[in-house]
Amino acid sequence: NAGVTQTPKFQVLKTGQSMTLQCAQDMNHEYMSWYRQDPGMGLRLIHYSVGAGITDQGEVPNGYNVSRSTTEDFPLRLLSAAPSQTSVYFCASRHRGHNSPLHFGNGTRLTVT
Amino acid sequence: DAKTTQPTSMDCAEGRAANLPCNHSTISGNEYVYWYRQIHSQGPQYIIHGLKNNETNEMASLIITEDRKSSTLILPHATLRDTAVYYCIVPPYAGGTSYGKLTFGQGTILTVHP
Repeated sequence: NAGVTQTPKFQVLKTGQSMTLQCAQDMNHEYMSWYRQDPGMGLRLIHYSVGAGITDQGEVPNGYNVSRSTTEDFPLRLLSAAPSQTSVYFCASRHRGHNSPLHFGNGTRLTVT
Repeated sequence: DAKTTQPTSMDCAEGRAANLPCNHSTISGNEYVYWYRQIHSQGPQYIIHGLKNNETNEMASLIITEDRKSSTLILPHATLRDTAVYYCIVPPYAGGTSYGKLTFGQGTILTVHP
């Protein structure tokens, strides 16, 4: 299994540009989520999904959109990038049960100038 | 979801046991305690989890108090590579989709010294 795969690894955007961060998992996990981590800070939950067609907001959802059309994929969209969105973005997934750990991707490092 | 409290930072000598505490006094009976760590800027790595009983795996041991209001992660023989931020989280056990709202605190910065 590849686990949780995030693309791209690095991205530089100009203010106002849009882009989609990709996240895919091959473990048939029902639950997927996106976190951002600013320098020297902890992880903050952006959006999450408990299954295909179901998404919900986390702690810091503003400026981001998500959709979950398949079990495997959970893309994160930035509609109009802002410098405040410069961060490292992590995708994670796990099985629905409570006795199931999170598996994280290696992150996407985004810089907005 | 149950709030967790961890010390901001801890030090440990290489080869010694590292004992990382976590308070989760509002934990409910069905909620698990999970530990993760993040080395430098890599993606967080799962370490261990437990419900009531103490747990051990190849990475660490988890000791949960009888009242389940606190736990301790033990790295039995810390190495320099164990220097990382350690997160203790308690995923919510609730109806609907709220169980998915897994939030992380600031964690404990563990520094292992030679």
